[in-house]
Amino acid sequence: GENVEQHPSTLSVQEGDSAVIKCTYSDSASNYFPWYKQELGKRPQLIIDIRSNVGEKKDQRIAVTLNKTAKHFSLHITETQPEDSAVYFCAALFGGNEKLTFGTGTRLTIIP
Amino acid sequence: EAGVAQSPRYKIIEKRQSVAFWCNPISGHATLYWYQQILGQGPKLLIQFQNNGVVDDSQLPKDRFSAERLKGVDSTLKIQPAKLEDSAVYLCASSLVRGGNEQFFGPGTRLTVL
Repeated sequence: GENVEQHPSTLSVQEGDSAVIKCTYSDSASNYFPWYKQELGKRPQLIIDIRSNVGEKKDQRIAVTLNKTAKHFSLHITETQPEDSAVYFCAALFGGNEKLTFGTGTRLTIIP
Repeated sequence: EAGVAQSPRYKIIEKRQSVAFWCNPISGHATLYWYQQILGQGPKLLIQFQNNGVVDDSQLPKDRFSAERLKGVDSTLKIQPAKLEDSAVYLCASSLVRGGNEQFFGPGTRLTVL
């Protein structure tokens, strides 16, 4: 079935340190993996995405890596800042019906 | 460009009552999605439209939920009758086309069923 597992559920890091969130997915045919950031009471917003034809993508302090063989992908945030505090969701597009399935979320807290 | 609009932003009803949510997607976006986000969980897709046709409604509880997208633009999601477990934020999203394209979310409607 279509399943995305996300770990950890909560993560606290010191300001300036790095944060890593990991997700695994069930369908080897998945080819699109976005990451969304959701601040308290706000809408989810796309922060970075990766497609299955690349292994890594970077955008300033944010990077995503994809291992298709192992069916997992990770979000890396470097030099964390207080405004990075939010809930982060990974997602995978399952090819059959092009349905985006979200992980359960990681609450990231940056400690000043 | 204007974002995805939703109304109302908040709704409180009693169980067994009916409720309807409205969504106006970004102009020109062919694909529209309704998600249910229960507190502490990720969004769960309820229904996906391509223009005015349903692409996927496999997770829509069809005995009480219905949705339509007349004329391929605005959409409404209805719950009748509501249950306590329907308390959640209902998010509408749109994308230019289906598949691996960014989905833009609206602000959501927070539904509380008492």
